Amino acid sequence: EAQVTQNPRYLITVTGKKLTVTCSQNMNHEYMSWYRQDPGLGLRQIYYSMNVEVTDKGDVPEGYKVSRKEKRNFPLILESPSPNQTSLYFCASSRLAGGFIGAEQYFGPGTRLTVT
Amino acid sequence: AQSVAQPEDQVNVAEGNPLTVKCTYSVSGNPYLFWYVQYPNRGLQFLLKYITGDNLVKGSYGFEAEFNKSQTSFHLKKPSALVSDSALYFCAVRVTGTASKLTFGTGTRLQVTL
Repeated sequence: EAQVTQNPRYLITVTGKKLTVTCSQNMNHEYMSWYRQDPGLGLRQIYYSMNVEVTDKGDVPEGYKVSRKEKRNFPLILESPSPNQTSLYFCASSRLAGGFIGAEQYFGPGTRLTVT
Repeated sequence: AQSVAQPEDQVNVAEGNPLTVKCTYSVSGNPYLFWYVQYPNRGLQFLLKYITGDNLVKGSYGFEAEFNKSQTSFHLKKPSALVSDSALYFCAVRVTGTASKLTFGTGTRLQVTL
């Protein structure tokens, strides 16, 4: 089954304790992206990657890091989480070939992060 | 800069009645428009998209959307709502030149009641 998986699904942590949210896709997609969803703000892009070792900032990259060492994986790293990073996080992927601009994105189930 | 507006936080409709969820966009260039749906405790799922061609596009679960270039709108519609359509709906836009960026609206919660 084609899917994007994220782990963990729920995470409660304390300020300053480094954490990683993993994302993996099994569709051989080149493009992967991280979003955060906050009430009244919709989804905002954090980082994206067009392929292995190619990453770039989205709209709200501050406080986050990513890496793309393998095509299927795109982990999100919070090196020193703060309470304003409490949010619902989604990973997504899509193909690049055959008309990327019109390609739909496939989303993971989300990770609800609470930073106290 | 590209942006998407969903002017209604919530839309309420009775089952069996037609529904419309509104979306307007602002871009420089030709837009590529998408609708996604989010059910409780789930990720977003693709519903439909407008790339080019026919202004009326049909998607999953009986949904359709009409692209109106003059009004810069892409409203989501369904002729007969179901209780199971209750969910959070997001409109999104992409533009050539900034194709890596998919800009979402703030979402509209659709509540369908018996």
